[in-house]
Amino acid sequence: EVQLLESGGGLVQPGGSLRLSCAASGFTFSSYAMSWVRQAPGKGLEWVSAISGSGGSTYYADSVKGRFTISRDNSKNTLYLQMNSLRAEDTAVYYCAKDSSKDGIWFGELGVWGQGTTVTVSS
Amino acid sequence: DIQMTQSPSTLSASVGDRVTITCRASQSISSWLAWYQQKPGKAPKLLIYKASSLESGVPSRFSGSGSGTEFTLTISSLQPDDFATYYCQQYNSYSLTFGGGTKVEIK
Repeated sequence: EVQLLESGGGLVQPGGSLRLSCAASGFTFSSYAMSWVRQAPGKGLEWVSAISGSGGSTYYADSVKGRFTISRDNSKNTLYLQMNSLRAEDTAVYYCAKDSSKDGIWFGELGVWGQGTTVTVSS
Repeated sequence: DIQMTQSPSTLSASVGDRVTITCRASQSISSWLAWYQQKPGKAPKLLIYKASSLESGVPSRFSGSGSGTEFTLTISSLQPDDFATYYCQQYNSYSLTFGGGTKVEIK
């Protein structure tokens, strides 16, 4: 069974940093691009970042470019999101999601989602 | 970025009703559109991909149609488990964008 389990969320002050992790199981992790999507309280979904299966290509929303860094460790089947210079508007549930395409290239069809981890940016 | 506009934002319906949700893109996205269902406190679930392809395991009462800039999600006979929020999402460009969501409520 394909499973994604996020961790690393919490309360952080504005300007602070946090690293999210997403542990994957049940599929060949390196064969799939992965993505982070967030949802602010009571709001809709916002795509944040994506990474190819090899890790060689990364993509970011304008709202996080230069502050967030996506990475992956295929030997550990784990996806990461390093979040720096956090702002109040980054407060959200952060989901990791597995791309549907089997060739590792970022496609954008999000077939499986984790349950999310909550990030709160507040003083 | 490509803007995605969903309508209505809220929909009240009864069990057994036929329900249609519309999604419009600010520019042509061919058929690169997905629909997701989200229940409170849960992660989104993929229902439809490439505008009209049904994800494995999704009931056949769900269907999608459209291409270019106009798309619809139809639930042929609404079931109690279908009361949720639905999102469209384009993947024509690397920068994914979602519609604002349509909440389907019990009438």
